[in-house]
Amino acid sequence: GENVEQHPSTLSVQEGDSAVIKCTYSDSASNYFPWYKQELGKGPQLIIDIRSNVGEKKDQRIAVTLNKTAKHFSLHITETQPEDSAVYFCAATPSTGNQFYFGTGTSLTVIP
Amino acid sequence: GAVVSQHPSRVICKSGTSVKIECRSLDFQATTMFWYRQFPKQSLMLMATSNEGSKATYEQGVEKDKFLINHASLTLSTLTVTSAHPEDSSFYICSARGLTYSNQPQHFGDGTRLSIL
Repeated sequence: GENVEQHPSTLSVQEGDSAVIKCTYSDSASNYFPWYKQELGKGPQLIIDIRSNVGEKKDQRIAVTLNKTAKHFSLHITETQPEDSAVYFCAATPSTGNQFYFGTGTSLTVIP
Repeated sequence: GAVVSQHPSRVICKSGTSVKIECRSLDFQATTMFWYRQFPKQSLMLMATSNEGSKATYEQGVEKDKFLINHASLTLSTLTVTSAHPEDSSFYICSARGLTYSNQPQHFGDGTRLSIL
């Protein structure tokens, strides 16, 4: 089955700096890669996603890049703000299946 | 759009009680709903996948008689923790995926914090 690894597990940045979280996956059949943000005591919320026919996608301060050959994808947050502090999860899913395979999460702290 | 409502948000009850958690997709029809359990500072652990009108598929190690799942309509799935014990205390989260699920996200509820005394 699919195996998703996520790094780093914790990340602290100064407000205004950029944050990068990286994930790798093992199954070349995976073709959909969402990113979720989970605040304390809440469920994960989708913040951006990318499909395998695209190499990069951007939504304001958030961007995701995908390298299918190397089987890795990354989340980039620019101009970080304290409200970006949360746990971020990456996920991968193959087109033939229903299950999402989640990374282990990254706890991001933005220091004011 | 794509709102998933989960209730209750918090349950505290005595050992031996059965607890029902509801998961509703408010503005879309969900062919498939998922139930996760999350321990503190850990990732989401898939418990089961339920498809409307059919029996749920449970992950290895999850007791189906302990965690009863019903997905009676395209907008509602329920998880019942039967005869709950302290070790069942956890954060339970549901998610739903729309009818055309290929390359579509799961949308999550806000979770239920279950505490068994």
